[in-house]
Amino acid sequence: SQQGEEDPQALSIQEGENATMNCSYKTSINNLQWYRQNSGRGLVHLILIRSNEREKHSGRLRVTLDTSKKSSSLLITASRAADTASYFCATDGVQAGTALIFGKGTTLSVSS
Amino acid sequence: NAGVTQTPKFQVLKTGQSMTLQCAQDMNHEYMSWYRQDPGMGLRLIHYSVGAGITDQGEVPNGYNVSRSTTEDFPLRLLSAAPSQTSVYFCASTSGPAHNEQFFGPGTRLTVL
Repeated sequence: SQQGEEDPQALSIQEGENATMNCSYKTSINNLQWYRQNSGRGLVHLILIRSNEREKHSGRLRVTLDTSKKSSSLLITASRAADTASYFCATDGVQAGTALIFGKGTTLSVSS
Repeated sequence: NAGVTQTPKFQVLKTGQSMTLQCAQDMNHEYMSWYRQDPGMGLRLIHYSVGAGITDQGEVPNGYNVSRSTTEDFPLRLLSAAPSQTSVYFCASTSGPAHNEQFFGPGTRLTVL
């Protein structure tokens, strides 16, 4: 079964706007990761936040983690058309130390 | 480095046929895994390996076999293909425990008729 669940399933915004995606998970984790997938391509790692961290930045990306609520959010600031993709959160909580468990993803569309 | 490579990129099979999806990595990663991606389902773990000679089942292992004879290669075998196995298959690897950053291959799009 899915460990992480992203919300919303789909998001449409204009260039320059901010995009926020949320992820909820079920069990304790070592860390939580966010990946991006462009249409028809493999997944690309964006950012990793450890269970003892609350916020992390990377360029236009900002990730927060609330372990008490078992949730995370990914904020993309000043979105560009090139940010159009699906975004997935992933954790190892279910099978720690083995493989990641992914959510179903949020599809982001950024129009110019 | 080529990273994680997968072959073939596309494949069409008839029900009952068998085939092997190839996955190789040149980063000397111990951990490798196979996922399938279906519309609206995200990525689901099929099998994984924590090192040469060690494999285990993931969430959806039925109908698939794996082996890990070398660190570099992690092939996925479909023993008797079924239409329900129509999907996009991704291989991934990571250097340490699986909660580290994972590197994905480009995927194999499989259609079973």
